[in-house]
Order: sequence, then structure tokens, then C-alpha cells
Amino acid sequence: GDSVTQMEGPVTLSEEAFLTINCTYTATGYPSLFWYVQYPGEGLQLLLKATKADDKGSNKGFEATYRKETTSFHLEKGSVQVSDSAVYFCALRSWAAGNKLTFGGGTRVLVKP
Amino acid sequence: SQTIHQWPATLVQPVGSPLSLECTVEGTSNPNLYWYRQAAGRGLQLLFYSVGIGQISSEVPQNLSASRPQDRQFILSSKKLLLSDSGFYLCAWSVPSGGARGTDTQYFGPGTRLTVL
Repeated sequence: GDSVTQMEGPVTLSEEAFLTINCTYTATGYPSLFWYVQYPGEGLQLLLKATKADDKGSNKGFEATYRKETTSFHLEKGSVQVSDSAVYFCALRSWAAGNKLTFGGGTRVLVKP
Repeated sequence: SQTIHQWPATLVQPVGSPLSLECTVEGTSNPNLYWYRQAAGRGLQLLFYSVGIGQISSEVPQNLSASRPQDRQFILSSKKLLLSDSGFYLCAWSVPSGGARGTDTQYFGPGTRLTVL
């Protein structure tokens, strides 16, 4: 079945540091890939997505590129802020799995001033 | 614009008591609806999803159930709560895409934090 593996946290960074969160997946066919962010005490918000190989999703300074050859969708941001402290979830949706998202376990990121 | 509501926001219930969590979506028709649970320090687990009124698919066998009495209303219930039912419950909706590709984005509500004592 489909699965998503992302690096375990917590990841602790200083403000303006470079952030990378690794995400790899296994899926049937050609899934769409997503990054969701969960701020403390809140629900999930879609951060970015990519629907086919080599697509780059971007939003709020975050980027992720759909790499079919390595089955990866790593999230990056060049200069993090304290407000980026949150839990980040990588997810996929494949047609074979119907209308369902498969989530990774989440990575907690803490940015210190 | 579309909005999704969940209530209550927080809930503390004793073991063995019933549960009813409600989710409603505004501004769209015939959405796909989903219930997820997030246990403390863990990822999200899909519990139920629905593609239409009265159509419920269960992903994980458990003492929870879901119902969709109206197009934009999704209810999560239990007759008798267990300690292990504690967690953060998230409702989500999506608009099914016309094609076969899995491209439709899911949009999440604010969540209900349930503590079973």
C-alpha cells in the first residue's frame, strides 16, 4: 500500500537558518504530493503541492520538488522565521487509493530567535 | 468562499460515555468529507470518508462510527468512549476532480481536542 516516510523531529533551528525536511514515498501509479503545516493548537493548512514529476510547489518561501526517480518530495526554506515553528506533514494521494490522503508521521520544527 | 467548521473545539468525556462531533462545510456542494484522528505526538490516521449523503467508508475498525445526514454535514460518533479514543480529531473536505488523477486538495477544519478520562 501507499506510505510516506519523513524525518523525525524535533528539528531545532536558529532564525534565518536553512531548513530541509526529507520526505520519501511509495505509491501505486503517479501520486500527487502535498506538504501540510499545523501551527500550535490549530488544524492543518495546505502549504504546497505538486501533481506530476519535476513539478515544484512553492508558498511562503517554502519549496518542494516532485522527484519521481528518487520518490522524494523534500521541503526546503532558505531562511526560517520564528513564525515557521510548527509541525509539517508530507502526504500523498494516489488515484489507486481513491479519495484518501496518506500522511507521514509529521516533523516538528522549532525556530529559536 | 468555502469554510469548514467543527465543534466543539475541546471536549472532556468520561470513559464509557457517548460522543458526537460535528463538522459542517459551507460554500460548496457535494464535497468529499473525511474524519482523521491525530494521537498525541503522532501522525494523522484516516478514520472515515464519504463521497455523498449516506455513503461512508471506514478505514479502521474501532468503536467509532460516522454519518452524513446532509450533503455538507459529517458526524463522528461513539456509543462508549475508550481511553484510547483521546486525540485531536480533524475533519476535512475536498472537491472531487473530474479526471482520474488524485489531484484534489483536502482542506482541514480547526479540529476538536478530545480527552477521555
